[in-house]
Amino acid sequence: GDSVTQTEGQVTVSESKSLIINCTYSATSIGYPNLFWYVRYPGEGLQLLLKVITAGQKGSSRGFEATYNKEATSFHLQKASVQESDSAVYYCALNMGYKLTFGTGTSLLVDP
Amino acid sequence: ETAVFQTPNYHVTQVGNEVSFNCKQTLGHDTMYWYKQDSKKLLKIMFSYNNKQLIVNETVPRRFSPQSSDKAHLNLRIKSVEPEDSAVYLCASSEGLGENTLYFGAGTRLSVL
Repeated sequence: GDSVTQTEGQVTVSESKSLIINCTYSATSIGYPNLFWYVRYPGEGLQLLLKVITAGQKGSSRGFEATYNKEATSFHLQKASVQESDSAVYYCALNMGYKLTFGTGTSLLVDP
Repeated sequence: ETAVFQTPNYHVTQVGNEVSFNCKQTLGHDTMYWYKQDSKKLLKIMFSYNNKQLIVNETVPRRFSPQSSDKAHLNLRIKSVEPEDSAVYLCASSEGLGENTLYFGAGTRLSVL
């Protein structure tokens, strides 16, 4: 079946430093999946951060960016300068058809 | 602003008991889902409904049964819970089938003693 692999566990970054959370995917169905990053801030529900439905395109939101690379089957999440308020759990996901398949989540801790 | 409401937030029960979780969405969406997040934080889809019709039914034990009275509600019943059912159960909705953006509730944490 479809699968998503992302940077595991917790990532700690100092405030104002750059961030990259890796995400690669495998989709067994014919065609290209739609790709997403979801985020869960402390005390809140899971919510969409950004999405890209066309291969080669870049999505961005709240200073985060991710580029849909179909050759590398990757969708890495990047931010040039993180803030303490970015501390959260980030999930990479793909959609082929009727369901969303998630990675295991990456917990980001930003040191002030 | 929360638009997918789940109750209860937490539930502690014993092996063999029956539990029910409620989910309601106020977004006017046609499609609703139940996901399970296990102790390893992996989110897996369990069921999806579109306009009260079951669309996706992943391989889950038969003791799990979704219940939909209308397209705004999708409840989850677990008959005779097992220890491995301890998890966070997330309800979500989307505008339609294949729609990309899901809106999630805050989750129901189940602990089975």
